[in-house]
Amino acid sequence: NAGVTQTPKFQVLKTGQSMTLQCAQDMNHNSMYWYRQDPGMGLRLIYYSASEGTTDKGEVPNGYNVSRLNKREFSLRLESAAPSQTSVYFCASSAGTYGNTIYFGEGSWLTVV
Amino acid sequence: AQTVTQSQPEMSVQEAETVTLSCTYDTSENNYYLFWYKQPPSRQMILVIRQEAYKQQNATENRFSVNFQKAAKSFSLKISDSQLGDTAMYFCAFMKHGNAGNMLTFGGGTRLMVKP
Repeated sequence: NAGVTQTPKFQVLKTGQSMTLQCAQDMNHNSMYWYRQDPGMGLRLIYYSASEGTTDKGEVPNGYNVSRLNKREFSLRLESAAPSQTSVYFCASSAGTYGNTIYFGEGSWLTVV
Repeated sequence: AQTVTQSQPEMSVQEAETVTLSCTYDTSENNYYLFWYKQPPSRQMILVIRQEAYKQQNATENRFSVNFQKAAKSFSLKISDSQLGDTAMYFCAFMKHGNAGNMLTFGGGTRLMVKP
């Protein structure tokens, strides 16, 4: 059971470079999310997609863009990476109904130097 | 906006003993869900237990149980018979009903160390 799969697992970027984090889920979930986790902190929501064709900003959207490519896939793009974006990024998904459990991927470690 | 506070940055417990992790939250909502997630060193986020606000009965999952005090806006996690594999970060999270989506707001976490 794959669940939520993120790529890449690790990435080092130089300041100003761009990159895209890919996420796919195989649970036929409607909703997908991108969170970031800074050292010693809880997860904060960057963007989410309540259903295919919709995306909305979360708590910390600045510096990021997202694309809900289809029902399975939800990508996160850093257009011009900054050291403040060094973090662990988690993709997640849920069926989308209120109260449904949100399932997380294994995380992507991103370092911007 | 909702806030979730975990006031214990670190805790430790001896194997086989019981430990309670605290969580308080602030909301004006009457209906919501609360969750505890476990994050072991692998960084995987694993759901431990969930509680619906309108249910008065406290949720239990094997060795894990909660003490949900709605009026006090408190949601503590009790781990009984602690095991070495319980060593992890534990995050309390809040979900309110959202018209455009159902998102989690997380606390800052409690690092639990189970000692042999």
